[in-house]
This record gives sequence, structure tokens and C-alpha cells, in this order.
Amino acid sequence: AQRVTQPEKLLSVFKGAPVELKCNYSYSGSPELFWYVQYSRQRLQLLLRHISRESIKGFTADLNKGETSFHLKKPFAQEEDSAMYYCALRGGGADGLTFGKGTHLIIQP
Amino acid sequence: DTGVSQDPRHKITKRGQNVTFRCDPISEHNRLYWYRQTLGQGPEFLTYFQNEAQLEKSRLLSDRFSAERPKGSFSTLEIQRTEQGDSAMYLCASSLDSKETQYFGPGTRLLVL
Repeated sequence: AQRVTQPEKLLSVFKGAPVELKCNYSYSGSPELFWYVQYSRQRLQLLLRHISRESIKGFTADLNKGETSFHLKKPFAQEEDSAMYYCALRGGGADGLTFGKGTHLIIQP
Repeated sequence: DTGVSQDPRHKITKRGQNVTFRCDPISEHNRLYWYRQTLGQGPEFLTYFQNEAQLEKSRLLSDRFSAERPKGSFSTLEIQRTEQGDSAMYLCASSLDSKETQYFGPGTRLLVL
């Protein structure tokens, strides 16, 4: 069975501070990992995926297979980063994504 | 066509009634997915289509749930004999193929009284 764990339901940091949203996964094969973001009153949208290894809006995430983690990081938080962030995994043959419960990130001015 | 669309955006129904939701994917997208999201949880995968073929049904929550994509374009999700526990946000997503990004619609929020 595959599972995604986001241990923090809520994370509050000040503007300009570093941000790290944690994601751990459980999967026996080679997974694909994603971060999706949902801004207030908007639909869920892809932020980044591990295979592309790119930085989007200053966010990066590295897949650590040894620790089965895919933490999302940004060195300097901005107020517009406030949103719900979901870590997701795709593995096996179903192609459907397995999501974590999400972390509500609040950036305080 | 600017994205995945879903209709209706909100639905209130009484327990025991049947409801049907529609999803229109992005044009040219072969894959279409349905998810359910309850309060405080991430989206939960239900089923998906490759063109008109439904390739995964086992995650549908019960036999009261069914989905179709008859012409390989739009899809419908039907819930028969609704229960209060069916109250949730139902999300649709589409992708160009199996390895491409899934783009989500705005969702249909269902409330069963």
C-alpha cells in the first residue's frame, strides 16, 4: 500500500524566513512525487514534480529515497506563498495520485 | 477552453436521492480522473479513464458510485441513494497521457441532508 504523510497540519512563519514543509512517503517501488498547491478560492495546481528537478516560485524539493522524504523548501517566504500545500505520490499501475492530508502554510507579515 | 470544468459547482440533495456530476476535461486530454476530498483530508483517488475506457474501478467507494466517459470526452460521476457520508468535494482532473501533469477542475461540492 502507498501512503503519504504530511506531519504538519498548520505551519506559520514570518515573511522572509525559510520555509520547509515536510512530506514522507511509503511505497515499495520507485514513486513519482509531486507538490500541489491550492491558493484561497482557486483550484488545485501543480507546483513541482521531482522528475523535473526545477524551482518554481522559489520552491525546491529533493527526493530522498533513503529517508523516503520529499520535503518542500523555500529560503525566503513571501506573503503570497500562503496556501494549502499537498504532497502526492504516483506509483503502481493505477495512475491515480495518493495525496497527503495537506499543510496550511501561513506567512505572517 | 481554459481548463477543466465541472458542473454543478454546488449540489444540495436529500438522503436517498441520486446525483450526477459532469466533468469536461481539457481538449485533447486522453486521461480523466475522479477524486473525492472530505474536510481536512487530501483528495482521494476514485477512478480514471483512458479515452472512453475505465481502467480502474476498484477504488470507487461502493457500488452506489459509477462513472462513465461514453465518447472519450466529458465524464459523469453518479452516486445513487446518497448518504450523509457522501458529503464532500468531488474533483475531476485530466492529463494528456499517463505521465503528464494532472490538471484539476474547481470541484463539485455535495451536501447530503
